[in-house]
Amino acid sequence: GAVVSQHPSWVICKSGTSVKIECRSLDFQATTMFWYRQFPKQSLMLMATSNEGSKATYEQGVEKDKFLINHASLTLSTLTVTSAHPEDSSFYICSATWGGGKDGYTFGSGTRLTVV
Amino acid sequence: AQSVTQLGSHVSVSEGALVLLRCNYSSSVPPYLFWYVQYPNQGLQLLLKYTTGATLVKGINGFEAEFKKSETSFHLTKPSAHMSDAAEYFCAVAGYNKLIFGAGTRLAVHP
Repeated sequence: GAVVSQHPSWVICKSGTSVKIECRSLDFQATTMFWYRQFPKQSLMLMATSNEGSKATYEQGVEKDKFLINHASLTLSTLTVTSAHPEDSSFYICSATWGGGKDGYTFGSGTRLTVV
Repeated sequence: AQSVTQLGSHVSVSEGALVLLRCNYSSSVPPYLFWYVQYPNQGLQLLLKYTTGATLVKGINGFEAEFKKSETSFHLTKPSAHMSDAAEYFCAVAGYNKLIFGAGTRLAVHP
């Protein structure tokens, strides 16, 4: 149980275009979803937290107009990287929870974004 | 506020040797603690977690961790390392509606 599916697993796009990454909870309703960014050989950096039907809460320093997050249902959240640039190239990981705290957090398999 | 410190960004052990990955936490409330493993280009997989109850927690792949409140520690151990254990390991504490991660420890296992 508690499976999170993230797609695509990798994507290459041209500079200036937008890319959408999907995160789905397959067998539970995710009250909260999280988006992380991970640079090579570093820990996960939380970008934003989203609750179904409400606006995402962005961490300090994360551009909300560049990283658009939509959490339209209890099983789907999307991250759109708008007007991507090479510096946006990174590994993006989503996570979902049905209650947080001790209930735990399940992670997607990640998306490797390369902007050329 | 909660925080996590992982001592040692790199740990190298021989196959069959004891694995010890260190994690210390700071929390103003009783903590919920987690260990995750990450293989290259993959997401995070939960190894084990401590919420309440027994302080020695057993997880998958032969790993276990002991919650020591007096030492504010939650070290991860495995009696005998296997080559397949080579990966990045993250300790985390549950904050208010989010996880707070340590910097990670890269475990290398050599023959």
